[in-house]
Amino acid sequence: DIPMTQSPSSLPASVGDRVTITCRAGQNIFNCLNWYQQKSGSAPKLLIYGASNLQSGVPSRFSGSGSGTEFTLTISGLQPEDFATYYCQQSYNVPRTFGQGTTVEI
Amino acid sequence: QVHLRESGPGLVKPSETLSLTCSVSGDSLSRSIHYWAWIRQSPGKGLEWIGNIFHSGNYKIHPSLKSRVTMTIDTSQRHFSLNLTSVTAADTAIYYCARRNIAATVSFFDSWGQGILVTVSS
Repeated sequence: DIPMTQSPSSLPASVGDRVTITCRAGQNIFNCLNWYQQKSGSAPKLLIYGASNLQSGVPSRFSGSGSGTEFTLTISGLQPEDFATYYCQQSYNVPRTFGQGTTVEI
Repeated sequence: QVHLRESGPGLVKPSETLSLTCSVSGDSLSRSIHYWAWIRQSPGKGLEWIGNIFHSGNYKIHPSLKSRVTMTIDTSQRHFSLNLTSVTAADTAIYYCARRNIAATVSFFDSWGQGILVTVSS
């Protein structure tokens, strides 16, 4: 299994902030990295696929970068609806694995 | 727009079999670019991929669950199913079904069901 490690685990922030979440893979996964947002009581929602491709319908304030073993998710201009938990997930091999999550909180 | 919905019992006794079904609308289960997945989420283990199934019936399962999991698909009825045998309290989780899509040579889960909480308890 490829371990996925996110940092930080929690991230205090304010509306309008630029926030960055880091995800590190236990081995080279090239660009096979996806980001999801999960709000309380709801299923995860795909934000970014292939490290940097914005999923249709996702606001452009979300962006992703990185390759190999280190990746980042950036939210430029945090909005009230962005307070949630964010997960990275590798799709390089089986079993698919997820990071432990980063909670963006007020 | 694709819509997925999980169904099944919310309570299963230890050592028994957990059986869930995911009903799909708005998409064909026969499209060759899609796999159909089960993912679970528990407080202790976070998000855990269980497995994917293809319209042919071929599937891949998490190695740690391989001995206890079977998956089936019925494209005509537009649903796929998960069976997990010999459950323990560690299998208590929210179970999600999802569609695995692919673009730019990368795969991802782009549509998810609402999830179903399954508790293992006597």
